[in-house]
Amino acid sequence: AQKVTQAQTEISVVEKEDVTLDCVYETRDTTYYLFWYKQPPSGELVFLIRRNSFDEQNEISGRYSWNFQKSTSSFNFTITASQVVDSAVYFCALYFGNEKLTFGTGTRLTIIP
Amino acid sequence: GAGVSQTPSNKVTEKGKYVELRCDPISGHTALYWYRQSLGQGPEFLIYFQGTGAADDSGLPNDRFFAVRPEGSVSTLKIQRTERGDSAVYLCASSSALNTGELFFGEGSRLTVL
Repeated sequence: AQKVTQAQTEISVVEKEDVTLDCVYETRDTTYYLFWYKQPPSGELVFLIRRNSFDEQNEISGRYSWNFQKSTSSFNFTITASQVVDSAVYFCALYFGNEKLTFGTGTRLTIIP
Repeated sequence: GAGVSQTPSNKVTEKGKYVELRCDPISGHTALYWYRQSLGQGPEFLIYFQGTGAADDSGLPNDRFFAVRPEGSVSTLKIQRTERGDSAVYLCASSSALNTGELFFGEGSRLTVL
């Protein structure tokens, strides 16, 4: 069975602090993709990143960075120097190329000015 | 339009009524998806279309749910004999290519069944 667990339901940090959102996944497949999507208050999900299971290289994009570790089945997301605009619900998702994303339950991030 | 457009943004109906939710994808996107998001949960897959045909409808919860995309662009999700448990946000997404998982989502249609 495929499953994505985001144990942190809600996180609040003060602006400019760093914050890490955890994602743990379960699958028996060797080929898969991991995603992060952002859902701002307006409701639409916005794609942030996709990683394939064969590429464990960490990635940095501006203030965002992602740490993929197959040994612990984790794909964590860190926001550096958080800003109020980062406030949203963040979803981690698993994908096998079958056109179905399996989402976690999301982490609601609130950045306090 | 520039993004995925969904109408209505909010729909309140009574138990037992029929509901239609509309999705207008990004122009040129051949793949279209419907997901359902219940309160406090992540989106759950319902159905996806490649062109006019439903390529995978395995996520539809029962036969009260049906979706069409007759001309390969706009799609309508139809729910018959609505139940209170159908209350959720129904999200539509589109993509220019298959097998990427990189979807462009609309803002959703919030359905409330009283």
